[in-house]
Amino acid sequence: KQEVTQIPAALSVPEGENLVLNCSFTDSAIYNLQWFRQDPGKGLTSLLLIQSSQREQTSGRLNASLDKSSGRSTLYIAASQPGDSATYLCALSWWNTGNQFYFGTGTSLTVIP
Amino acid sequence: DTAVSQTPKYLVTQMGNDKSIKCEQNLGHDTMYWYKQDSKKFLKIMFSYNNKELIINETVPNRFSPKSPDKAHLNLHINSLELGDSAVYFCASSYGSTGELFFGEGSRLTVL
Repeated sequence: KQEVTQIPAALSVPEGENLVLNCSFTDSAIYNLQWFRQDPGKGLTSLLLIQSSQREQTSGRLNASLDKSSGRSTLYIAASQPGDSATYLCALSWWNTGNQFYFGTGTSLTVIP
Repeated sequence: DTAVSQTPKYLVTQMGNDKSIKCEQNLGHDTMYWYKQDSKKFLKIMFSYNNKELIINETVPNRFSPKSPDKAHLNLHINSLELGDSAVYFCASSYGSTGELFFGEGSRLTVL
């Protein structure tokens, strides 16, 4: 069974702060890793996709890194804004699971104005 | 122009009924999925399907069945609904080796 863990479950920060969200996994034979955000009552919005041969991806104020040897990915959010408040989920697929992504439990982020 | 669309968005029904949720994607993807998000917000894959292969998560009861009339559609049919089936069901799609997932807005099912 593939396990994906996200800690902390909830995080509250003041506006403007830089922050890091964590995603841990037990099997390093990753195929892809994807970060999503989910707003309350909404679907999932893809933020960044990291393929197994890559170490990081950047989009605007977001940077995601992947360290397969330590079983960890981080999502770095620079200069946080209230609009960043959402639940952030990481999802991984492994070589033996093909296109099937397995999700972590998510980190609920609140950015306080 | 919505990339992955699901209908209905909300569904309230009685125990024992049969219901379907429809999903369509206009991204040209070759693989579609159904995920279930429970009350604790945990997302769990139920099915993945392309024109060659259906992969079923072994924990999914056989009351749930995916039906794909063509590459752009994957519907979810549920027989004999139970209280524990209440959840938000998400459809998703992806293409090729990148496997980047794109999600629909979700369908909230409430079983009374």
